[in-house]
Amino acid sequence: DVKVTQSSRYLVKRTGEKVFLECVQDMDHENMFWYRQDPGLGLRLIYFSYDVKMKEKGDIPEGYSVSREKKERFSLILESASTNQTSMYLCAINIGAGRRYGYTFGSGTRLTVV
Amino acid sequence: QQQVKQSPQSLIVQKGGISIINCAYENTAFDYFPWYQQFPGKGPALLIAIRPDVSEKKEGRFTISFNKSAKQFSLHIMDSQPGDSATYFCAAASGAGSYQLTFGKGTKLSVIP
Repeated sequence: DVKVTQSSRYLVKRTGEKVFLECVQDMDHENMFWYRQDPGLGLRLIYFSYDVKMKEKGDIPEGYSVSREKKERFSLILESASTNQTSMYLCAINIGAGRRYGYTFGSGTRLTVV
Repeated sequence: QQQVKQSPQSLIVQKGGISIINCAYENTAFDYFPWYQQFPGKGPALLIAIRPDVSEKKEGRFTISFNKSAKQFSLHIMDSQPGDSATYFCAAASGAGSYQLTFGKGTKLSVIP
């Protein structure tokens, strides 16, 4: 089975800090995604990447950036953390050819910005 | 603009009953409709998916019904069990080469003994 690993389950950061969330996959899949999940709002796409050094904005990219230097690793960066970025962050990969085979998600990182 | 509308937001069903979650979409280009199940502390996991060329797909106790003309699809959980208690998300995707899923806002299902 494909494994998607997010480096931290829980993080507490201070307002204004630069925050790095890491996601690593153990297969050679091109497509990787970052979502945030908030109660009542569902999952919202922040950024995605379809190859090394490639990135595309999702629905809510403001305040975030991403980095993909190696195929297996996709990082989400909060340039200057704010309290409204307190959320659950989920990384996902797209397995198989295109969208038809579904996404595999990591277990999530619950970030609290104080 | 919310492209996939999911209802209800929460649902309580007795053990053995049928759980029904509904989704409606607006984009007629959507051609892939998966459902995800999420337990507390875990990421969502693909449960079942359907394409618009069929009206129903069944896997065990889980069935997706699809109505293309109404632009609606639903998840039915037969003989609901306490272990089915989770949050369920419907989603939709479109376009050759597009890898983005648009999710509904989720339904928290509680199955009580």
